[in-house]
Formats: sequence, structure tokens, C-alpha cells
Amino acid sequence: DQQVKQNSPSLSVQEGRISILNCDYTNSMFDYFLWYKKYPAEGPTFLISISSIKDKNEDGRFTVFLNKSAKHLSLHIVPSQPGDSAVYFCAAMSGATNKLIFGTGTLLAVQP
Amino acid sequence: KAGVTQTPRYLIKTRGQQVTLSCSPISGHRSVSWYQQTPGQGLQFLFEYFSETQRNKGNFPGRFSGRQFSNSRSEMNVSTLELGDSALYLCASSLTGFSGELFFGEGSRLTVL
Repeated sequence: DQQVKQNSPSLSVQEGRISILNCDYTNSMFDYFLWYKKYPAEGPTFLISISSIKDKNEDGRFTVFLNKSAKHLSLHIVPSQPGDSAVYFCAAMSGATNKLIFGTGTLLAVQP
Repeated sequence: KAGVTQTPRYLIKTRGQQVTLSCSPISGHRSVSWYQQTPGQGLQFLFEYFSETQRNKGNFPGRFSGRQFSNSRSEMNVSTLELGDSALYLCASSLTGFSGELFFGEGSRLTVL
């Protein structure tokens, strides 16, 4: 049972345009959500997070939106840069724990 | 500040063997988590240790075990290896283990033949 789903295995966008990565979850107990970025041959690196009490969190070019009623979150990257090309994982957790439930990832390719 | 160090980076084993993977967390980090990454499955949580105690465990069989030492270094062991255990095993550390913001190592790539 996949509690966190990323239904798009890949996404291709032009440099300078917006990248939108989507994530759906099923467990209503999740109260904290995170996005990680992974380059080949490297471990994932933390990108941005959002608490369930918020609906938006912004950090530079990266913004995460949370729609609790739809159990949906999205990551917006504006403007997209070639260096953003990587696999993006969304993750969720409940309570004060480091047990993260990850999605299967979306491969983002930003074309110059 | 040194990052999370995992050894070995690559290893090949045969079915039925056992393997031990090692993880040295960032200095001062007391929480160490382990994840398995396979194609199509994403990252799946194995277990988390904090101050030498297992705090959380994922849905993996008992062949997967781990431990944490007093210096916060951690090891995970897989016994009676199966072909399906071929994966990238990622270790992550964090200061307290409550924020979800983990620092990952580069992983140990295990191939079971």
C-alpha cells in the first residue's frame, strides 16, 4: 500500500519556465511533509518542508503548496534551471519521528 | 564538517550470504536511520536508532537488523541474502530525530547474485 504517491515518473521543462511536481498521500495522520532532491551517485538532500498547519512555504525559487482536503502537495520551481535536473522525492511523516514515508520519485529534466 | 559516511560503497554477494553495512553520522548527530532504495519502490524505511536504541522499525523481515554504538555509528546487517535484497542502502543522520530533515550518505550499493 503506497501511502505517498508521485504519479509522474518524469517531467521535462524548458529553462526559465515553471516546474510543478505533484505528490498525493492517503494517510490523514501525516502532519509534516518534505521534498528531497537526489542527483545520481549521491544521497538525497533536503530541499523544503511544510507543516500541516500551513498551506504554503517558500524558499527562494522553491515553493511547496499543501492542500489537506485533497491530500495533495506540490513543489513549484520558478524559474527552472538546468542544475535543477534531478530526481525529486516527496516524503511524509506523522508525529515526532524520523520515520519518513517516501514517494517513488519524479525525474525532472530542465532543458537549456 | 564531514558528512555522513557509508562503507562499503559497492559490494557483491551471493544468495545465502550475509552482509554488514556501516554508517558514520555527522558529528553530534544522535539519530541514524536506514532506508532501502530500489527501482520503482522509492525509499523504504528500515529502522531508526537514537542513543543506541531502536526507536522505529519498518516493514522488513527479521533478516534485516541493525545497531548503534555509543559514538552514534551504526551498522545494519542482512542475513541469508536473497536476490531481491539487491538495492541501494542509504543511511541518514539528524541531530535529534524529530524534524524529518535528514542528512543522507551516498549509500552502499549491494548486488546479490
